[in-house]
Amino acid sequence: DQQVKQNSPSLSVQEGRISILNCDYTNSMFDYFLWYKKYPAEGPTFLISISSIKDKNEDGRFTVFLNKSAKHLSLHIVPSQPGDSAVYFCAASGYGQNFVFGPGTRLSVLP
Amino acid sequence: SQTIHQWPATLVQPVGSPLSLECTVEGTSNPNLYWYRQAAGRGLQLLFYSVGIGQISSEVPQNLSASRPQDRQFILSSKKLLLSDSGFYLCAWSVSVAGRETQYFGPGTRLLVL
Repeated sequence: DQQVKQNSPSLSVQEGRISILNCDYTNSMFDYFLWYKKYPAEGPTFLISISSIKDKNEDGRFTVFLNKSAKHLSLHIVPSQPGDSAVYFCAASGYGQNFVFGPGTRLSVLP
Repeated sequence: SQTIHQWPATLVQPVGSPLSLECTVEGTSNPNLYWYRQAAGRGLQLLFYSVGIGQISSEVPQNLSASRPQDRQFILSSKKLLLSDSGFYLCAWSVSVAGRETQYFGPGTRLLVL
């Protein structure tokens, strides 16, 4: 059973527009969420996190929104840049639990 | 600042051969350490994690093993590789802050078993 889902395997966005990456989870014990960005043949790099006491966290061009009732989170990138083209993973954990990663979404930002 | 190293970056091994991948962390003490595998087109699968020297927890039963001989060293091994062991192996470290962790990943090792 996949506890963390990223239902869009890929997404294409025009440079300068908004990229919205979605993530759904099933485990109601998850209360801490992270987004990672991964370039080919490199390790993932941490982007932004959010805990369940918040519904929004912002860091520069990156904003993560959490809807606990829907068990849904999203990552917004505004404005999108060609260097944002990568695979994005969301990860979730509950207190004292290891992270569970989603399968990833490949974002392509077109110039 | 903290740095995580993995080597080798790329490895091609025949089926049935042994494996040893090494991961070291600098700039932190007593980190939690993790081994993940990313198979082609798939997400990150947690293989092993360690909260201290000699303490290894396995998430997925398989022909791989892990060891932590030193505080900042984490080794992934196999006695006999299978074709299905091909993938991208990632080491990660984390420290807890207020009961929460953020994991930081190494550059990864691409393993191809032929």
